[in-house]
Formats: sequence, C-alpha cells, structure tokens
Amino acid sequence: QKEVEQNSGPLSVPEGAIASLNCTYSDRGSQSFFWYRQYSGKSPELIMFIYSNGDKEDGRFTAQLNKASQYVSLLIRDSQPSDSATYLCAVNMITDKLIFGTGTRLQVFP
Amino acid sequence: ETGVTQTPRHLVMGMTNKKSLKCEQHLGHNAMYWYKQSAKKPLELMFVYNFKEQTENNSVPSRFSPECPNSSHLFLHLHTLQPEDSALYLCASSLTGGRDEAFFGQGTRLTVV
Repeated sequence: QKEVEQNSGPLSVPEGAIASLNCTYSDRGSQSFFWYRQYSGKSPELIMFIYSNGDKEDGRFTAQLNKASQYVSLLIRDSQPSDSATYLCAVNMITDKLIFGTGTRLQVFP
Repeated sequence: ETGVTQTPRHLVMGMTNKKSLKCEQHLGHNAMYWYKQSAKKPLELMFVYNFKEQTENNSVPSRFSPECPNSSHLFLHLHTLQPEDSALYLCASSLTGGRDEAFFGQGTRLTVV
C-alpha cells in the first residue's frame, strides 16, 4: 500500500464550480497534513496545512481531515482557470519524513 | 520567492562527470530536504537533515552524496550518474522537521547524457 494515495486525474471542472480533491494515507500516527499546488515546470507551493480533525477554511480553499478514516481533502470554491495545476497531498509521519502523493491534475475550463 | 534558493537551475552532465547542487535557505529553518521528481512519479524523499544531522536516507544510491555544513546550506554531490537519474531535484526546508510545513526552492533540472 502506498503511503499517500491520490487519484491522478485529470479532474475537469467548469469555471465557478467546486473542485474536490481527495487523499488517503496509510500511517495512522501521522500528525500533519499539507496541500501543495504545482504548476507545470515549477516547484510546489504550499496552499494549506491542517493538524486537527474537521474543516479549515482559507479564502476559497477548505481542507478537511478525518483521522479515523485516514482521509484528507481539499475543496476549491469558485474554481478559476488559474487554479489549473497539479495538487499534491503531503503527510508528515512521526519521524522527519514528509511524504507526497502522486498529485491530482486539476483542469478548470471556462 | 520562498526564501529557498537552488543553483544551478539547469544542469547537463555526462555519466563520468562530478557536479554538485547547492541549496541555501534564508528562513532560519533547522531542517532541510532533498527530493527527486521524475515524470509521472510522486516526489521521492532522498535525504533529510535536522540541525545538520542526517536523519533520513531513503535507500538512495551512493552516487548521490549529501552534505550539510550548517543549517542554512545543503549540497547534493553527484558522480557517475545514470540517464535514469535525469529529473527535477528539489530542495526544501522547514522549521524543525516535525509538524512544520516545508518550503521549496525552484529546483534543478538535471539531464544526464
């Protein structure tokens, strides 16, 4: 089983819609969860982090964490074409390891 | 600008060459990381340094040799690489290496010919 799993996509949504990105992880002791955005040819940039169960909102982005189900998600409201990128889920294990999923490619069409 | 700077941005090297990648962070962080990103593969963690001590070596071949002289600088020394080592090499740093988020440099695009 992969440590961090994401659907590779592409996930295609129309402009203005809600994009829902999902991630599962294998280590039940994981403490910290991150979402990064990566544009083609660029390095990953941090969008959000979440440590506790529940929802965390920041502008158009909402991260959701369910530790019992080992599941973390990212919702993007009012999706814009500029949101088109690959979204990487990352999980910090108990050690110093920050492990990434393969990423989900999001396409927002006008 | 994330405060993490990598040089060079692009590198082409032969299989018999020796080269080094450099990473510098101006964030006051204590943990630094090397990741490898190949096409259609997840970011692969290679090495972790926390307070200048190597805490993770993710079964990386010995042709990759890291060096962390202080908390602000990280090097990746390369020798006798293979074409399959061609990838984007990313450096990142975080405050303590525990729960904290990591910030990435721009990466070095390495091509081995």
